[in-house]
Amino acid sequence: DTEVTQTPKHLVMGMTNKKSLKCEQHMGHRAMYWYKQKAKKPPELMFVYSYEKLSINESVPSRFSPECPNSSLLNLHLHALQPEDSALYLCASSQEGGTGNGYTFGSGTRLTVV
Amino acid sequence: TQLLKQSPQFLSIQEGENLTVYCNSSSVFSSLQWYRQEPGEGPVLLVTVVTGGEVKKLKRLTFQFGDARKDSSLHITAAQPGDTGLYLCAGLQFPYGNKLVFGAGTILRVKS
Repeated sequence: DTEVTQTPKHLVMGMTNKKSLKCEQHMGHRAMYWYKQKAKKPPELMFVYSYEKLSINESVPSRFSPECPNSSLLNLHLHALQPEDSALYLCASSQEGGTGNGYTFGSGTRLTVV
Repeated sequence: TQLLKQSPQFLSIQEGENLTVYCNSSSVFSSLQWYRQEPGEGPVLLVTVVTGGEVKKLKRLTFQFGDARKDSSLHITAAQPGDTGLYLCAGLQFPYGNKLVFGAGTILRVKS
């Protein structure tokens, strides 16, 4: 299995809703990431997990809450989002350690906040 | 401020032409990666370059890492319509380990 699977593919939520994005990989990668991508822009790093521990938080607002329940799963919990949070949310994974390890990205969750 | 400056932003060429995309920075990277992204999909890794001066070839694509590990280029020979997409360079920041930052991207359109 060489894929990163993200669910759901599309999500529409109101500003008072609570929802979660899910990401799964079975490649044995010990580093997992959340990126946010707005239209016609490059992906922006949000969070990095290394060996199931949060290692980087790029000053992301607390309405985004990441969780790594085990080495294969990564969640992003959403609460009280704003319309400007609408974007493509990408999960990625990579081998931990070394500099030659490329990232494997999922297809993303297209989030619309209304 | 974009850490990685990618140029050009847009490129529209005829099938069969050659092109080069550049990725430049004033920072040193432990590695540079190139990705291709299609609409509604995640980026797909094309190549990773690690050693200064390294050249890698992937069929009609040639990737080069600058000697000082601050810049990289992607050259496509005899472009085809199937090469159309968003090309992204991304650098693994030294010494931050797992912090991959992206350039602004180059939108390539190859017309038949």
